[in-house]
Amino acid sequence: DAKTTQPPSMDCAEGRAANLPCNHSTISGNEYVYWYRQIHSQGPQYIIHGLKNNETNEMASLIITEDRKSSTLILPHATLRDTAVYYCIVRVAGGSQGNLIFGKGTKLSVKP
Amino acid sequence: EPEVTQTPSHQVTQMGQEVILRCVPISNHLYFYWYRQILGQKVEFLVSFYNNEISEKSEIFDDQFSVERPDGSNFTLKIRSTKLEDSAMYFCASSDARTWDEQYFGPGTRLTVT
Repeated sequence: DAKTTQPPSMDCAEGRAANLPCNHSTISGNEYVYWYRQIHSQGPQYIIHGLKNNETNEMASLIITEDRKSSTLILPHATLRDTAVYYCIVRVAGGSQGNLIFGKGTKLSVKP
Repeated sequence: EPEVTQTPSHQVTQMGQEVILRCVPISNHLYFYWYRQILGQKVEFLVSFYNNEISEKSEIFDDQFSVERPDGSNFTLKIRSTKLEDSAMYFCASSDARTWDEQYFGPGTRLTVT
């Protein structure tokens, strides 16, 4: 699975959009970008994933650059409850069952 | 909304004792996983389980660990002889056949080995 690079921490004002970047310059053509988050002491939570097209669901939007070497997770209206560690994971969809490799992620602090 | 549940929420045990951590995955899911997170560190994959057998395991998952699906609903992780370094948060996860990379995690069991 390709390696990812994320900033260790970010701040965001409540109600504003939170834009979390992820670099994955060695991504392969069959690798997807997944985002999970972990709210303090809880289990990780799946957010969204995509291959090359931008994706949106009820939680967030995922913007993947055309060359697929980086992506941005967007929380459109961040709330205090969005304070968490966000993980960007690159892997082949359906490849080796399980084995999500979590890095250190980005600690997002949403402030009032 | 269906969710993964885990029991107990906190387990304290003495070094050398056996512990069994229990999980009830989401009912129609077919793939099951255990991860652990030592305090302040990254979430680490331990093992995945499908069709009543281990499909993948990490280096952490040595002979001290075993998993079982004893019935149609429970999924257990057994540590035979606990060590101090086994102290961690243990998370169970499950996913279905259609979207198996969307793993749903339980709230975790905090294991403290003294």
